Amino acid sequence: NAGVMQNPRHLVRRRGQEARLRCSPMKGHSHVYWYRQLPEEGLKFMVYLQKENIIDESGMPKERFSAEFPKEGPSILRIQQVVRGDSAAYFCASSPDSGSRETQYFGPGTRLLVL
Amino acid sequence: SQQGEEDPQALSIQEGENATMNCSYKTSINNLQWYRQNSGRGLVHLILIRSNEREKHSGRLRVTLDTSKKSSSLLITASRAADTASYFCATDASGGGTSYGKLTFGQGTILTVHP
Repeated sequence: NAGVMQNPRHLVRRRGQEARLRCSPMKGHSHVYWYRQLPEEGLKFMVYLQKENIIDESGMPKERFSAEFPKEGPSILRIQQVVRGDSAAYFCASSPDSGSRETQYFGPGTRLLVL
Repeated sequence: SQQGEEDPQALSIQEGENATMNCSYKTSINNLQWYRQNSGRGLVHLILIRSNEREKHSGRLRVTLDTSKKSSSLLITASRAADTASYFCATDASGGGTSYGKLTFGQGTILTVHP
C-alpha cells in the first residue's frame, strides 16, 4: 500500500507565476489535510478537505490560495501570483474513513522556492 | 505563546542515554500526537495519546499526558544515532466526533544523538 504521494517534490517559480501542488492520499483515505512549514518552524494547518468538500479552510490565506479534492484524481493546492514569502515546504496528509481517523499520514512534501 | 510548544528547543545526547522532550498546550484537546521529521523529509507518526489516557508506550517510546497541566512528554530510551531528528507534538482540538483533523504543531525539538 503506497503512502501519501506528493508531486512535484521541488518546485521553483518566479514571482507572479502560479504554483500547483498535488497530493494523492493513501488508498482508502478520503480525508486530506494541507500544512505549510516555513524554515525552522513547525507545521501550520491550512485546509482540511474530503472528497469534493472543503471542511475547514481556516488556515488558508484569503487571497491567492485555493484547494480542491475532486471526486477523481489528486487533491490540488493552488497558489496564484506567488510571492517570495510563499517559499516553504507544503505537506499533505491523509487519514482513513474508519474510526482511526485521528492519525494523519504525511507525504514527503513539496518544497516551493519563489525567486 | 503558541498551542503545542516543545522544550527544549534543542537536545544533544550520547548514544545509549535517554532523551526527554516536553510539550505544553493551551486549549482542551481530543488527542495529542508526536511526530518525527528527519532533515528535509516528511513527518513520521510516532504515537497518539487520547485525552482520557495518561501514559502510552511503543517500543522505546513512552508518552505521558497531563491534561490538568496541559502538558505531555516524550521519552526515548536507549537512544541511537538514528534517532537524530526533529520531534514535534501536535494537538487536535477540533470538535471531536466526525470533525477531527486540524492539528496544531509546536516548533519542535531538535534531537542530536552522538555515536
